[in-house]
Amino acid sequence: DTAVSQTPKYLVTQMGNDKSIKCEQNLGHDTMYWYKQDSKKFLKIMFSYNNKELIINETVPNRFSPKSPDKAHLNLHINSLELGDSAVYFCASSQGQGAYNEQFFGPGTRLTVL
Amino acid sequence: QKEVEQDPGPLSVPEGAIVSLNCTYSNSAFQYFMWYRQYSRKGPELLMYTYSSGNKEDGRFTAQVDKSSKYISLFIRDSQPSDSATYLCAMSERWSGGYNKLIFGAGTRLAVHP
Repeated sequence: DTAVSQTPKYLVTQMGNDKSIKCEQNLGHDTMYWYKQDSKKFLKIMFSYNNKELIINETVPNRFSPKSPDKAHLNLHINSLELGDSAVYFCASSQGQGAYNEQFFGPGTRLTVL
Repeated sequence: QKEVEQDPGPLSVPEGAIVSLNCTYSNSAFQYFMWYRQYSRKGPELLMYTYSSGNKEDGRFTAQVDKSSKYISLFIRDSQPSDSATYLCAMSERWSGGYNKLIFGAGTRLAVHP
């Protein structure tokens, strides 16, 4: 009965590879997010979707492409992985677009690029 | 200069101590102020939420916002080893439709030792 789940939990890959991270929420929320947390714990938003529509697209390299097949799912595909992409990626969801709404975070996907 | 500044610590205190965690910010348009708690290898979870200025108390936790000084605080009374975690402040502007994001501080790592 996990609220926000992500797969995989750990991802170790070589530079130049392409990888995907999947996220699902069973809270019935209409807004989902991808965050990146670097080694210093700094959490920064990358993308946000509301009802499958992209509403926030931060200054993120276009190697990162989010996709929301439905309200409950938000995936992140990363092309041509670089060393600097190593981080923990968190998916989150909330009810409503406003940032003041409580966001529920998944457990994170720890990506290591070698 | 980052929009939100937070001392990353670490902060080490004995059990039972009063803990004070703080953030400063530069954007006077911020209206919503939150504290998220993140245990090691987990996603952040909302701990306290305050709108505009003032205090809010919830059990052993008190959140304070001083908009005139652009300064927010989280106090933990009678700290417990289970409070050991990273505490992230987060804030956002008032939402009036469209683009609205939550800005996080770097997080302060707290260790409460028995």
